[in-house]
Amino acid sequence: ETGVTQTPRHLVMGMTNKKSLKCEQHLGHNAMYWYKQSAKKPLELMFVYSLEERVENNSVPSRFSPECPNSSHLFLHLHTLQPEDSALYLCASSQGYRGLYEQYFGPGTRLTVT
Amino acid sequence: DAKTTQPNSMESNEEEPVHLPCNHSTISGTDYIHWYRQLPSQGPEYVIHGLTSNVNNRMASLAIAEDRKSSTLILHRATLRDAAVYYCILIPTQGAQKLVFGQGTRLTINP
Repeated sequence: ETGVTQTPRHLVMGMTNKKSLKCEQHLGHNAMYWYKQSAKKPLELMFVYSLEERVENNSVPSRFSPECPNSSHLFLHLHTLQPEDSALYLCASSQGYRGLYEQYFGPGTRLTVT
Repeated sequence: DAKTTQPNSMESNEEEPVHLPCNHSTISGTDYIHWYRQLPSQGPEYVIHGLTSNVNNRMASLAIAEDRKSSTLILHRATLRDAAVYYCILIPTQGAQKLVFGQGTRLTINP
């Protein structure tokens, strides 16, 4: 595997389910990100991790819970989601988390909440 | 939070140069200008970034205005594979990462 991978690629879940999204980067980077992309809305940054520490949390509801066990893996735990949470969830990584460094994105997980 | 403004759409012909503009009049001195593009059903792809000087790489060139309030992404010879939504965003070197991706510019390439 190369670059940034995300699993699953598609997920359908009910509002009472608990599920997790997984992201893995094979680039030796130190920073990882979760983004949300809703239909016809701009890409929104949700969380930033640098060296496994959360450094940004952009007013994301508590039903989204990130976890970064090491610098190569990032999870997004989902519970009691709402239909408006249906979106493409993108993971990205970069060498560092400041503007000097470019970000590399995964293909995304298409989430549908029913 | 510094924001960027881009035209909603642009159109060009294959093998011709394309100049994609971006305005960022509230840019701070420590914000890097990044460009990404997104093809349908894919995650965004890094294109180029810079701080003050013009930048070139194998994909594109980035021309940054002297006052840094605007920039232009230049695709020297567009191909059909360059058809995508192009995003210009500002990423700070200090302070919170309040990244704001705008709506981007949808680039259409005509054969």
